[in-house]
Amino acid sequence: EPEVTQTPSHQVTQMGQEVILRCVPISNHLYFYWYRQILGQKVEFLVSFYNNEISEKSEIFDDQFSVERPDGSNFTLKIRSTKLEDSAMYFCASSGSRDGGYTFGSGTRLTVV
Amino acid sequence: DQQVKQNSPSLSVQEGRISILNCDYTNSMFDYFLWYKKYPAEGPTFLISISSIKDKNEDGRFTVFLNKSAKHLSLHIVPSQPGDSAVYFCAASAAVQGAQKLVFGQGTRLTINP
Repeated sequence: EPEVTQTPSHQVTQMGQEVILRCVPISNHLYFYWYRQILGQKVEFLVSFYNNEISEKSEIFDDQFSVERPDGSNFTLKIRSTKLEDSAMYFCASSGSRDGGYTFGSGTRLTVV
Repeated sequence: DQQVKQNSPSLSVQEGRISILNCDYTNSMFDYFLWYKKYPAEGPTFLISISSIKDKNEDGRFTVFLNKSAKHLSLHIVPSQPGDSAVYFCAASAAVQGAQKLVFGQGTRLTINP
């Protein structure tokens, strides 16, 4: 069964450093997303991406965040200057249609120290 | 932001019995509802969905019921199996152009007892 692949599975970084979280969505999917889950809290929407541009972003997705689909297969989330409160599980997801259920990756656990 | 609420943080059910997980929403613009299952250290896995034009959708042991007037949906699992033990998230979306943003509930931890 096709999978969404995320790397790394765990990233530890110092506050103020830049991190790039990587995702390989399912190859024929058209819609791409990033969500995050802070420990003990709900899964929160960050950003959606379609047709090579951001469709929607949440209040969390401020100027420190950016997304790219650099080569037609990867989908990356960059946090320019990490803060302690950015520590969370970050999930990438993709879907083949607007009404299709997403396929989520296994997540990257980001720990900012 | 409590647009989607799962008021039961946990539920314990005997193997073979029915599990009923509940979800309430407040945004009347939501037109599509989904249930996801999540194991520790894994991403959410899509289970079943329902469009607002329906009131029931069934897939094997899983059935989702939607009561639009009450802004309530539920997931029924019957019979419950030990492998069903996981955290279940209700999610909802509203029609937008382009990609579909999901709003998740807080999750309900389901434990199936042998």
